[in-house]
This record gives sequence, C-alpha cells and structure tokens, in this order.
Amino acid sequence: GDSVTQMEGPVTLSEEAFLTINCTYTATGYPSLFWYVQYPGEGLQLLLKATKADDKGSNKGFEATYRKETTSFHLEKGSVQVSDSAVYFCALTEGAQKLVFGQGTRLTINP
Amino acid sequence: NAGVTQTPKFQVLKTGQSMTLQCAQDMNHEYMSWYRQDPGMGLRLIHYSVGAGITDQGEVPNGYNVSRSTTEDFPLRLLSAAPSQTSVYFCASTRRAVNYGYTFGSGTRLTVV
Repeated sequence: GDSVTQMEGPVTLSEEAFLTINCTYTATGYPSLFWYVQYPGEGLQLLLKATKADDKGSNKGFEATYRKETTSFHLEKGSVQVSDSAVYFCALTEGAQKLVFGQGTRLTINP
Repeated sequence: NAGVTQTPKFQVLKTGQSMTLQCAQDMNHEYMSWYRQDPGMGLRLIHYSVGAGITDQGEVPNGYNVSRSTTEDFPLRLLSAAPSQTSVYFCASTRRAVNYGYTFGSGTRLTVV
C-alpha cells in the first residue's frame, strides 16, 4: 500500500532558524499531499496541502512543494518561532476515502 | 462553535469492558473517520464512513465496531477492551472527498488496564 516516510525527530532549533522537515512518499496513483500540525493536548489541524505535481502549498509562513520526480513534499519555514513548537505530520490520500500518515516529527523551538 | 466534538476526553477501562467513544460534527460533512495515534506510528485508520448507512474498515479494525445512522454522528464501539487498545483516538470529518482536508476532534485518551 501507499506510505509516507518523515524525517526522524525530535528536531530542536533556535528561534529565527530555518526549518526543513523532510517527507517522502510511495504511492501508486497521484495522491494529494498534506501537512498537519498537532499542538500539545490538541487534535490535528490542516497546515497546508497540494493536490498535483509542482503545486506549492503555503500557510502561516510554512511552504511545501509537491515534487513528483523525487516523490517528496518537504516542509519549510524561513524563520521559526517558539509558537511553532508542535508535532508535524505529512500525509497523502489513498483513493478517495483514506489518508495515510507519516509517523510525525516533533519540533521544539528554543527562545 | 462548528467542528468535530469527541467525548469523553479521558477514559480508563478494565480489560474486557466495553464502551462507546462518541463523535459528532455539525458541518454537514459526508466523510467521517476514526484514527488511533500511538507513539512513533503516526495515525492509523480504524474505520471510516462515506455517508449515513455506509461504513468500511481501515487499517486496524479488529476489536472495534462503528455505525453511521445519521450524517452528524459516528460512534466507535470497543467490544471487549484489551491493553493493546490503549491509545489516543481521533475522529475526523471532511466534505465529499479527503483531498479537501480533514477537520479533527480534540481526541479521547483511552487507557486499558
């Protein structure tokens, strides 16, 4: 079946540092790709998405580009803040009904 | 506030007990799903529904039942709780297809002793 592999965590950065969280996928079709964020004690929130190759999703300073040739959807942010500390999940659609998630990457930003 | 509401937030069960985790959404979403979250494993799909009266199994359905009698509600039943079902459970909903992006509830933390 389809799968998502994320960069191992935890990731610890200083405030204002550049962030990259790697995500690669294996899929038989042409999935939509997502990044979700989970703040402590909360459910997941959709951060951004891309539905076809070369699309760039963006939200709250985060960006990710759907790269079909490298089967990747890496999450980037130019200058992180303490409030960005959370767990980040990469996911893809499998068929019309299912989401397949990566294992999550815990990000901690120190002031 | 519109969204996905899960109850209870916390629950402790003894092995062999049964219980129902409640999930309700008020956004008129057709698709609803249940996921469990375990450390280092991301979220895994338990059951899903594409509309009232229609349910199907996900990746890890054993030990769980669901039904969808209304668009709004999608309860998850644990038939005979086992320690392996200790997890955080999330309900999620979306419009007609998952590529719109799911709205998640805040979760139920279940411990089976």
